[in-house]
Amino acid sequence: QVQLVESGGGVVQPGRSLRLSCAASGFTFSTYAMHWVRQAPGKGLEWVAVLSYDGNNKYYADSVKGRFTISRDNSKNTLYLQMNSLRAEDTAVYYCARAYSSGTYYYPTHWGQGTLVTVSS
Amino acid sequence: QTVVTQEPSFSVSPGGTVTLTCGLSSGSVSTSYYPSWYQQTPGQAPRTLIYSTNTRSSGVPDRFSGSILGNKAALTITGAQADDESDYYCVLYMSSGIWVFGGGTKLTVL
Repeated sequence: QVQLVESGGGVVQPGRSLRLSCAASGFTFSTYAMHWVRQAPGKGLEWVAVLSYDGNNKYYADSVKGRFTISRDNSKNTLYLQMNSLRAEDTAVYYCARAYSSGTYYYPTHWGQGTLVTVSS
Repeated sequence: QTVVTQEPSFSVSPGGTVTLTCGLSSGSVSTSYYPSWYQQTPGQAPRTLIYSTNTRSSGVPDRFSGSILGNKAALTITGAQADDESDYYCVLYMSSGIWVFGGGTKLTVL
């Protein structure tokens, strides 16, 4: 069955960087688009970024554009989120989610359990 | 910036029917937005209920259904049960390539 395991979260100071990983198994990773979605404490879900199956197409929420980079290594079945210039408002649980199919216009259907990122001095 | 709107809260009696909606601050929701619905209980990851307007995800009971009602996407729960008490989120695809979640609806079953 589809399994997504996020890692890399933790406490980081404002302005610093962090890279999240999402290890995928149970499906052919290289044929699916992937999303990152976050949830600040006590708040709703916020879509962050999406990446096509081949890494060629990517889109970001305005709130993270220019600071975050989504990427993937299909040989390692792993999705990444490089987060730079972190701010307090980036504090959230970050979920990776598999899309229904290969393109960035496909909705999230399978979710990981999330990893917590806390931005604080 | 387009805002996706959801009712902040809703109540339903056990066994009753409730329809949650997902709209746009400007314009109408259509199937082209691929509206999808997710259920989340506190401390848990989201669970996919409905995708692409009206397709139920694997294992989701048929008392959950999705549709377009007027100018909004809708999630209808028929025969509500106690464990349906959750937060419900919709997400819409924007033609610019981005996705936008609604603010969520807190459903109470009482």
